[in-house]
Amino acid sequence: DTAVSQTPKYLVTQMGNDKSIKCEQNLGHDTMYWYKQDSKKFLKIMFSYNNKELIINETVPNRFSPKSPDKAHLNLHINSLELGDSAVYFCASSLSEGAGTQYFGPGTRLLVL
Amino acid sequence: DAKTTQPPSMDCAEGRAANLPCNHSTISGNEYVYWYRQIHSQGPQYIIHGLKNNETNEMASLIITEDRKSSTLILPHATLRDTAVYYCIVRVAGYGQNFVFGPGTRLSVLP
Repeated sequence: DTAVSQTPKYLVTQMGNDKSIKCEQNLGHDTMYWYKQDSKKFLKIMFSYNNKELIINETVPNRFSPKSPDKAHLNLHINSLELGDSAVYFCASSLSEGAGTQYFGPGTRLLVL
Repeated sequence: DAKTTQPPSMDCAEGRAANLPCNHSTISGNEYVYWYRQIHSQGPQYIIHGLKNNETNEMASLIITEDRKSSTLILPHATLRDTAVYYCIVRVAGYGQNFVFGPGTRLSVLP
């Protein structure tokens, strides 16, 4: 069974559209994260959720909004997509917020045209 | 910004040990050293972590110098599937502590 899964794997869309990326973990973890990896391959954290509460919110545009219906899911909604949003987005989870071991999903490759 | 310095790339012959160095000269006493790797197009994968003692698991060994200012990740018998970008990260365990990924070391295992 896949521990951390993301859908879709690929997403191609036009500028200005709104899109969502879904993430699910079946590890029973309390904390989930979203990372962005840009064209230069730098991996940067965007958000983390612990027990449905946002506990880290890095300086990302407010067009990005994480939504967690329950502790096994953390979806990423993006409004008014821009060219610069093109990147690979990774979801991850950890047992708790303080735990150092994070388990990453396979990534969602977003291309904004 | 990442608190670690790693060589941008390294080569290793298949079957030989791969020794990946990492400098973290400003590490604090309560910061752990973590290693992750990212195989092409996949999500990062946890390898190992340590505080001050050397650590070993089924994937690798982590050697931390006595002053904790540097460490070495050792893959004892590298295979082609170990070709990846390896990230060395220092992080305090606890609430609100991010992982900050630097550019890492691109390890190429050659046949």
